[in-house]
Amino acid sequence: GQNIDQPTEMTATEGAIVQINCTYQTSGFNGLFWYQQHAGEAPTFLSYNVLDGLEEKGRFSSFLSRSKGYSYLLLKELQMKDSASYLCGPVLTGGGNKLTFGTGTQLKVEL
Amino acid sequence: EAGVTQSPTHLIKTRGQQATLRCSPISGHTSVYWYQQALGLGLQFLLWYDEGEERNRGNFPPRFSGRQFPNYSSELNVNALELEDSALYLCASSFSDRGLSGYTFGSGTRLTVV
Repeated sequence: GQNIDQPTEMTATEGAIVQINCTYQTSGFNGLFWYQQHAGEAPTFLSYNVLDGLEEKGRFSSFLSRSKGYSYLLLKELQMKDSASYLCGPVLTGGGNKLTFGTGTQLKVEL
Repeated sequence: EAGVTQSPTHLIKTRGQQATLRCSPISGHTSVYWYQQALGLGLQFLLWYDEGEERNRGNFPPRFSGRQFPNYSSELNVNALELEDSALYLCASSFSDRGLSGYTFGSGTRLTVV
C-alpha cells in the first residue's frame, strides 16, 4: 500500500529557500508529481520525476530517490504568492496508474 | 483552450439525498479522475475512467459511483448522502498514457450535506 508523509505546515521568509520533503512507502511506484494548491483553487502542476535526481524549473526544483522512497520540492527566492499547499503525489501502477496524494504541506511565506 | 470544467460550483443537499457532479475534460484527454478533498484529509482518490470504462477505484463505499460518456465527460454520483460527504470534489483529466504526461485539475464542486 502507500503511506505518504510530508510536513503539515512550514513557514519561511520572503527571499529565502525552503525544502519540502515527502516520503512514501509504496510498491509499484511509477513516478511522482508535485502540485501547488492555493486556497479555494484547483491544484496546478509543478513537476514530475520518474528517474532519480534533481529536476530544475526556474525557482522550483524537485528531487527523487526511488530507492529511498524520498522526494523533495525546493523553492528558491520565495515570494508571498508562494504561500499555498504543496501536494506530493506518487503514481502507483497497481490496477493501472493511480495518482495518490499526501495531505499536503501548507507553506506560509512571511515578510 | 478550455481547461477542465466542473459543474455545479456549489451544491447543497440534505442527508439521504443523491448528488450528481459533472466534469468535462480538456479536449483530447480521454482519462478522467475524481478526487475528494475533505478538510484536513488531503486529496483522496475516488475513481478513474478511461475510454468509457472504470479503470480503478479508491477506498470508498459503493454509493460513490460514476460513469464516462462517449465524449469523455464524466459524472460522479453520490447516493444516500451522509454529513461526512461534505467536501470539495475535484476532477482531473489526462491523455490516455496513464497520466504520465500530467493531470489537469478542474476548480471543483463544493458539496455541502446538511
